[in-house]
Amino acid sequence: ILNVEQSPQSLHVQEGDSTNFTCSFPSSNFYALHWYRWETAKSPEALFVMTLNGDEKKKGRISATLNTKEGYSYLYIKGSQPEDSATYLCAQERNTDKLIFGTGTRLQVFP
Amino acid sequence: DSGVTQTPKHLITATGQRVTLRCSPRSGDLSVYWYQQSLDQGLQFLIQYYNGEERAKGNILERFSAQQFPDLHSELNLSSLELGDSALYFCASNILDNEQFFGPGTRLTVL
Repeated sequence: ILNVEQSPQSLHVQEGDSTNFTCSFPSSNFYALHWYRWETAKSPEALFVMTLNGDEKKKGRISATLNTKEGYSYLYIKGSQPEDSATYLCAQERNTDKLIFGTGTRLQVFP
Repeated sequence: DSGVTQTPKHLITATGQRVTLRCSPRSGDLSVYWYQQSLDQGLQFLIQYYNGEERAKGNILERFSAQQFPDLHSELNLSSLELGDSALYFCASNILDNEQFFGPGTRLTVL
């Protein structure tokens, strides 16, 4: 693949459900993988930056894994809450430190 | 609040006109990035400056230009505006090789 792709495009879950999304990217010219959280009417906020194959990062109920050899990253949210509702963006940083963004996964958590 | 400021927040102008968007990075950040978010498109990287010098270029049109000043603020100049230039324009800053901090964005509407 040439572009950064995210799936699913949107997701609706009940409060308390755990969920995960996928980010796929070209494995060549890989430098880093960024995850951002973007709430409506706000600006994207960085969650994680991962650089090494096998990296796992965690922030509260949110965690992410990275596989640079096969070109994918997973973002997990454990016990989703309504305040987790946002668009989750991943972006690949290639060897020139510009970010190539996916189109995001829009998560809606219903109480 | 990311510490990155952008002005104006909203801009409405006519086709053929020229506008300037302004960005002040976080204190201490030398790198400034500009992104465009059009309807149904992901965040598209336009251009990056580092300490006053252009460092990386993305899909930036020839009608668009940018610069970073000695005080590290940056301006994005958009000229001969077309309807399709209507978008949300984000600026982000960072210390090199780190997560990017996004400003609140400028929403440009070209009528």
